[in-house]
Amino acid sequence: GAVVSQHPSWVICKSGTSVKIECRSLDFQATTMFWYRQFPKQSLMLMATSNEGSKATYEQGVEKDKFLINHASLTLSTLTVTSAHPEDSSFYICSARSVNTGELFFGEGSRLTVL
Amino acid sequence: RKEVEQDPGPFNVPEGATVAFNCTYSNSASQSFFWYRQDCRKEPKLLMSVYSSGNEDGRFTAQLNRASQYISLLIRDSKLSDSATYLCVVNMDGGQFYFGTGTSLTVIP
Repeated sequence: GAVVSQHPSWVICKSGTSVKIECRSLDFQATTMFWYRQFPKQSLMLMATSNEGSKATYEQGVEKDKFLINHASLTLSTLTVTSAHPEDSSFYICSARSVNTGELFFGEGSRLTVL
Repeated sequence: RKEVEQDPGPFNVPEGATVAFNCTYSNSASQSFFWYRQDCRKEPKLLMSVYSSGNEDGRFTAQLNRASQYISLLIRDSKLSDSATYLCVVNMDGGQFYFGTGTSLTVIP
C-alpha cells in the first residue's frame, strides 16, 4: 500500500536550535500534506495544511514563524521547528493525501525532545 | 468549541463483547468522516470511512447522522487485537482533517 516516510524518527536537540522534519510520499503524489502534533495521551492536533507550490495554511494558535513549512514538490513537505524550546517537545506526525484516491496516509511520526 | 468531540473512555470490555463509540462534530459543512485506529506510539491507520447510509466491514459497523452531526462505531465480538485508541476524524471542504481525542479500548481475556 501507499507509504509515507517521515524522518527523523527521533531527535533530541538543545533549546534554541532548529530542527527539520521531512515527510515524503513514496509511491504516490500528494498535493496536500498535513502536519499534526500529539502530546502524551492526547489526540492529534492539526497544525497546518501544506499545499504544494503555495504557502501553508496554519491553524489558529500555531505560530507560522515558529513552525516553518515548505512543500516544494508533490512528494515532499518539510516542517522546521525554529528556536525550539522544551515546550515544543512532542510527537509530530505528517500525513499525505493521495491525489488519485483522496485517502490520507500517515508517516510514522517524529518524536522531538528539546533539552 | 472543538471541531470533533469524543468520549475518551477508557472502555474495558471482555472478549466477545459488543462495544460502541460515539463522536459528534461541530461544523455542519463537514464533508467526509472516518474512523482511524491508533496503537500505542504508532501512527493512525484508517479503519473505515463512514457513509450516510451506514456501512459495515466484518465486525465493524459505522454510522453517520448528519442531522444530529453524530458518528458511531460498533465493534461486535471484540478480539484482544482490537485493543487500541479509536479516532473519529472529520474532513472539511477545505481539505483539513480534524481528529477527536480518541477513545481507548482494552479488550480483556
